[in-house]
Amino acid sequence: EVVLTQSPGTLSLSPGERATLSCRASQTISSNYLVWYQQKPGQAPRLLIYGASSRATGIPDRFSGSGSGTDFTLTISRLEPEDFAVYYCQQYGSSPPKWTFGQGTTVEIK
Amino acid sequence: QVQLVESGGGVVQPGRSLRLSCAASGFTFYNTGMHWVRQAPGKGLEWVAVMWYDGSQKYYADSVKGRFTISRDTSKNTLDLQMNSLRAEDTAVYYCVRDRNGGLFDPWGQGTLVIVSS
Repeated sequence: EVVLTQSPGTLSLSPGERATLSCRASQTISSNYLVWYQQKPGQAPRLLIYGASSRATGIPDRFSGSGSGTDFTLTISRLEPEDFAVYYCQQYGSSPPKWTFGQGTTVEIK
Repeated sequence: QVQLVESGGGVVQPGRSLRLSCAASGFTFYNTGMHWVRQAPGKGLEWVAVMWYDGSQKYYADSVKGRFTISRDTSKNTLDLQMNSLRAEDTAVYYCVRDRNGGLFDPWGQGTLVIVSS
């Protein structure tokens, strides 16, 4: 079973700064099935990045994803006030089908 | 636009049952895979169950296997989750989620809260 470990647990930054979030898998996974979600307080998660690096519809280009194998990164180039939230990575495994999430990274205002 | 609206949450005693429902609209429900994902209070996300796009297969997380059953009614565009033998650790917000491309959850419903407590 693949375990996703996100780091850091909390990232304290100021608006305008760059955020770099890590998601590490316990074994090699397909980039096609590495996804990032954003969740704001009291809201459902929303899709940000799929296929490790493709932005979902309507997601600003300050969000970017990269990585392959076991190491994946979500980067927010310049934090806007609305970007302070919790970010989850997720992967899909096919044998048997199972979807797993990382534990999340909180991006908070410093 | 795509809309998913969950209902059926509430407070239930341990060992009892509860049935959640999700009303889907804005897309072709009958040929779309659908999931339930849950989030315990203050915790992260946990995938619970999936029904394949053609209804042919269902899979469950180990934590709910044998107790929860996912089903759908394509005539009503609804997805259900029958939850039996509920435990305190099943307390969570339950989200109905559309599957895209076999691995993406998009979009998510607003969630319904289930509290298992005596």
